[in-house]
Amino acid sequence: NAGVTQTPKFQVLKTGQSMTLQCAQDMNHEYMSWYRQDPGMGLRLIHYSVGAGITDQGEVPNGYNVSRSTTEDFPLRLLSAAPSQTSVYFCASSSTRDRGPGNTIYFGEGSWLTVV
Amino acid sequence: LAKTTQPISMDSYEGQEVNITCSHNNIATNDYITWYQQFPSQGPRFIIQGYKTKVTNEVASLFIPADRKSSTLSLPRVSLSDTAVYYCLVDDVGFKTIFGAGTRLFVKA
Repeated sequence: NAGVTQTPKFQVLKTGQSMTLQCAQDMNHEYMSWYRQDPGMGLRLIHYSVGAGITDQGEVPNGYNVSRSTTEDFPLRLLSAAPSQTSVYFCASSSTRDRGPGNTIYFGEGSWLTVV
Repeated sequence: LAKTTQPISMDSYEGQEVNITCSHNNIATNDYITWYQQFPSQGPRFIIQGYKTKVTNEVASLFIPADRKSSTLSLPRVSLSDTAVYYCLVDDVGFKTIFGAGTRLFVKA
């Protein structure tokens, strides 16, 4: 009963380095997304996907790339890390497009990223 | 995209009932209203969802007036462990779910 799994939990990067945050879900959900949350702030949508092979930009997509080659996986790539990308990153998934009884968004436990 | 407005923060004491109101003037006919709770260092989790009138579960109640332009999350007899951020969501087309800043509830002893 894993749900949404994110790795790594913690990461420290140097400015300019690249890395990939992994996200996997085992609920056969169509929809997956990445959010970032800065200290004391709400969640901001980075990128989302409505199915394998389909991705789109959210509120704050600059500096990040995503791909969705399978239903289960939705990795987030930081191309050239900057201190402004220091944040907590949450991956989420949902079964269908429309909200309704029983259809909710499931979140991973978060990945804490520090860029120095 | 439908937009919601909710208070930035609220304080309460243990044992009190807490009501958090969310405004969503542009809610669409097919939209549901969903509330999430986020504890520090954790991802948000679903607490309640409704379309109209009143919904109640083991955690909270959700009151939605007939015009659906607002909703109120009610937490009965809060405890210290209810200290969290509460997000009101009204979904629009697609999965581009915007959470906003939420309401920070701080429960004091």
